[in-house]
Amino acid sequence: DAGITQSPRHKVTETGTPVTLRCHQTENHRYMYWYRQDPGHGLRLIHYSYGVKDTDKGEVSDGYSVSRSKTEDFLLTLESATSSQTSVYFCAAIAETSTDTQYFGPGTRLTVL
Amino acid sequence: AQSVTQLGSHVSVSEGALVLLRCNYSSSVPPYLFWYVQYPNQGLQLLLKYTSAATLVKGINGFEAEFKKSETSFHLTKPSAHMSDAAEYFCAVSDRSGGSNYKLTFGKGTLLTVNP
Repeated sequence: DAGITQSPRHKVTETGTPVTLRCHQTENHRYMYWYRQDPGHGLRLIHYSYGVKDTDKGEVSDGYSVSRSKTEDFLLTLESATSSQTSVYFCAAIAETSTDTQYFGPGTRLTVL
Repeated sequence: AQSVTQLGSHVSVSEGALVLLRCNYSSSVPPYLFWYVQYPNQGLQLLLKYTSAATLVKGINGFEAEFKKSETSFHLTKPSAHMSDAAEYFCAVSDRSGGSNYKLTFGKGTLLTVNP
């Protein structure tokens, strides 16, 4: 357990509205990640962060942006939500850089109507 | 680039039977490999990991996996399935190339069903 929480845990929104998901960690982890999970696709990396204000794109970054203004918070923003962004979103952090082990938050279920 | 293939999106076993979940990987550098388990409506929990020490890795809940370089495999096994093992299992490989920032690539998952 890497002390990771996500908020909100569930959200329903409408197409075209902006949405921000929050990942919060309490253990000063440097590396953080956002994934989406969809049936038949496993987990796919959206964006990641390797330090405060240091972020980069993952494999499915279109339509998403991130920010990390302080170590403990990593925000994922859907600028204008679409139905294809209905998914379960997971945040993760590296707790052991010697073993590349990522630990995951509980997830946020987002529904875009 | 790394990739992971999990053979069988759905595996069904009887309680007490052997569990075998298959994972093959591709990596340009010696890999670190992981198995995660996801119970319904929960996050991912680390089951076990291979980080270039012993090739046979033991994890939680009686699971183990063997790293076979020649076969590029990291199959997950448990001698006797329990009803509580019903879950989705994900294999992942770490990108250990320089500047990778510890990114993981996941397989698409295998849903394990345990029948009484």
